[in-house]
Amino acid sequence: GDSVTQMEGPVTLSEEAFLTINCTYTATGYPSLFWYVQYPGEGLQLLLKATKADDKGSNKGFEATYRKETTSFHLEKGSVQVSDSAVYFCALNEGIIQGAQKLVFGQGTRLTINP
Amino acid sequence: DTGVSQNPRHKITKRGQNVTFRCDPISEHNRLYWYRQTLGQGPEFLTYFQNEAQLEKSRLLSDRFSAERPKGSFSTLEIQRTEQGDSAMYLCASSSPRGRYEQYFGPGTRLTVT
Repeated sequence: GDSVTQMEGPVTLSEEAFLTINCTYTATGYPSLFWYVQYPGEGLQLLLKATKADDKGSNKGFEATYRKETTSFHLEKGSVQVSDSAVYFCALNEGIIQGAQKLVFGQGTRLTINP
Repeated sequence: DTGVSQNPRHKITKRGQNVTFRCDPISEHNRLYWYRQTLGQGPEFLTYFQNEAQLEKSRLLSDRFSAERPKGSFSTLEIQRTEQGDSAMYLCASSSPRGRYEQYFGPGTRLTVT
């Protein structure tokens, strides 16, 4: 079945550092790809998404590009802030047209940013 | 739009007891999903409804689990004869075709089985 593999955590960076969190996927169809973020004590929030190959999703300074040739959707941010400390989840679904669009998640990467 | 709400937020129960959780989706969202998240893992799909119809169930959803959405609005997830392995965060999400089925999550119900 479909699966998502994320970079192991935890990841600790200093403020203003460059961030990359790797995500690769396995899917039989043409999935949409997502990054969700879970701040301490809060629910999952959609951070960004891409629905087809070569699409770039972006939000709050974060970016990720849907790379079909490498089956990847790596999350990047040029300069992280303490407020970015959270757990980040990469996810896919079956796409807009078919099925339940249930989400398949990676295991999550805990990010801590030190001032 | 008040977002997806879940009650209770925390539940501690003894092994063998039954528990029921409630999810209120964003109004007019026709799809409702349940996921389970254990410590250090990503959420795993359990089941989903389109309006009142339960259209898919994961193999994770054993016979002790039952979910309903009687009027196509709120949903309940019941676990009978709880086991310690049921301890997890239970997440609810909802979506609508207008939003291209983007899923919005509630804060979750944390279940601890002692």
